[in-house]
Amino acid sequence: EPEVTQTPSHQVTQMGQEVILRCVPISNHLYFYWYRQILGQKVEFLVSFYNNEISEKSEIFDDQFSVERPDGSNFTLKIRSTKLEDSAMYFCASSARRLTGELFFGEGSRLTVL
Amino acid sequence: DQQVKQNSPSLSVQEGRISILNCDYTNSMFDYFLWYKKYPAEGPTFLISISSIKDKNEDGRFTVFLNKSAKHLSLHIVPSQPGDSAVYFCAASAGGSEKLVFGKGMKLTVNP
Repeated sequence: EPEVTQTPSHQVTQMGQEVILRCVPISNHLYFYWYRQILGQKVEFLVSFYNNEISEKSEIFDDQFSVERPDGSNFTLKIRSTKLEDSAMYFCASSARRLTGELFFGEGSRLTVL
Repeated sequence: DQQVKQNSPSLSVQEGRISILNCDYTNSMFDYFLWYKKYPAEGPTFLISISSIKDKNEDGRFTVFLNKSAKHLSLHIVPSQPGDSAVYFCAASAGGSEKLVFGKGMKLTVNP
């Protein structure tokens, strides 16, 4: 069964460092997403991406965050200068259809900022 | 932000019995509702959805009920199986938005 894969599974970084989280969505999917879950809190929407551009983003997704699909397969989330409060599990998701909410999530990348 | 609320953090049921998971929402713009389940060390997995034009959707052992006037939905699992033990998230979206708003989740334990 096709699946969304994410790397790394866990990354520890120092505050202020740049981090790139990588995702390989399901190959025939066109819509891509990043969500995050801070420990003990809700899963929160960060950004959606379609046709090589951001289609929607949340207030969390400020100038420190960026996404791109550099090579037609990988979908990356970059945090330019990490803060302690960026520590969370980051989930990538993809979907074949828009606005169905039926997303296929990866296993997540745990980011720990020290 | 409490737009989607799952007020019970956990539920324990016996195998073969019904599990009823509840969810309330406050945003009247929500028009699509979903349930996801999550096992430890895995991402959420889509389970079932319902549009606001319906009040019930069924898929095998899983049925979702929507009461728009009460802004309430519930997930029924019949019969419950030990493999259903997971955290269940209620989620909602508003027309035209890509964003899913999740509840905090509820841990279901199905005892053999």
